[in-house]
Amino acid sequence: DTGVSQNPRHKITKRGQNVTFRCDPISEHNRLYWYRQTLGQGPEFLTYFQNEAQLEKSRLLSDRFSAERPKGSFSTLEIQRTEQGDSAMYLCASSLASSLHEQYFGPGTRLTVT
Amino acid sequence: LAKTTQPISMDSYEGQEVNITCSHNNIATNDYITWYQQFPSQGPRFIIQGYKTKVTNEVASLFIPADRKSSTLSLPRVSLSDTAVYYCLAPAGGYALNFGKGTSLLVTP
Repeated sequence: DTGVSQNPRHKITKRGQNVTFRCDPISEHNRLYWYRQTLGQGPEFLTYFQNEAQLEKSRLLSDRFSAERPKGSFSTLEIQRTEQGDSAMYLCASSLASSLHEQYFGPGTRLTVT
Repeated sequence: LAKTTQPISMDSYEGQEVNITCSHNNIATNDYITWYQQFPSQGPRFIIQGYKTKVTNEVASLFIPADRKSSTLSLPRVSLSDTAVYYCLAPAGGYALNFGKGTSLLVTP
């Protein structure tokens, strides 16, 4: 399967700890996106990359959040000093530059902050 | 950014046609209407996209009237496996998708 993959699938952490998630996009896709989804809500956009450049960030992406895509391939999303409100599903998606809003989503990483 | 409004939930029996209508009164000239489907514990999946009139693929049809202030996603002969949340989006320009709450479709035998 050459779809978008995310690791880990589940993460339980204590408040105040740092966590890092990884996303491997579809190989030929140069755009990569991060979203957050809480129960009963649709996904909310966090940030997106075109190749290694981070081109857009949502106001939801506080200073405790940082995302990287160092070589334009996989990406990491780090949350520092986690809070209980960070508990959510973190979704990664990728797309071709030529695509008009057709994004391919991974299965997500479910974060629980205790 | 065009705001979309769609029903919170719908119920259907297996084998019926389901039509989910979405209103987007302030859609911009360049906006496309895009629909995604999401099953529990999975990421959303692109279903269909259109600009005007009718678009059909192997999964669904999308009907968009001339004024483009609304659109209807049509799922023919639904099965239990079509139980999911369906999102109507009218993204503006950029690449950030705003999903809203979607329509939760429940298909029963």
